[in-house]
Amino acid sequence: DQQVKQNSPSLSVQEGRISILNCDYTNSMFDYFLWYKKYPAEGPTFLISISSIKDKNEDGRFTVFLNKSAKHLSLHIVPSQPGDSAVYFCAAVEKGAQKLVFGQGTRLTINP
Amino acid sequence: ETGVTQSPTHLIKTRGQQVTLRCSSQSGHNTVSWYQQALGQGPQFIFQYYREEENGRGNFPPRFSGLQFPNYSSELNVNALELDDSALYLCASSGGGRPGGYTFGSGTRLTVV
Repeated sequence: DQQVKQNSPSLSVQEGRISILNCDYTNSMFDYFLWYKKYPAEGPTFLISISSIKDKNEDGRFTVFLNKSAKHLSLHIVPSQPGDSAVYFCAAVEKGAQKLVFGQGTRLTINP
Repeated sequence: ETGVTQSPTHLIKTRGQQVTLRCSSQSGHNTVSWYQQALGQGPQFIFQYYREEENGRGNFPPRFSGLQFPNYSSELNVNALELDDSALYLCASSGGGRPGGYTFGSGTRLTVV
């Protein structure tokens, strides 16, 4: 039972354009959502998070949007840079729980 | 401030053998979690340790076990290895608070043949 889904295994975007990565979830008990970025041979690195009481959180070039009624969140990267090429994981946590529930990941490639 | 260090980086074992993976937490972090990442999948939670006690477990059989030591470093032990145990094993440490505070190590790539 995949509670967090990233339906796009890969995404290719031109440098300077907007990258939009999507994530859907099924568990209504999730109250905190995170995005991680992973380069080859490295562990996931925390990027940005959002609480379920908010619908948007922004940090520099990165913005996460949460639509609770649709159980959907998205990560926007503007403008996209070559160094953003990596695998991006969406993750969620239930209130009071400790474990992160990850999606399958989306490989983002930024083309010059 | 040192990050999370995992050893070894790569390991090949035979089916039926036992393996121990090690993790040194980031300085000041008292909580350690282990995740298994199969090829093409996202990481899956195995268990978490807080102050040397198991503090949550995912859907993994008892042959997956762990320890946390007084210095907050940790071990993941897997007995009776199966081919499906081949994966990247990630350790993450945290000083408490929200999971965004987790720092992941680079992982141990385990191959079972």
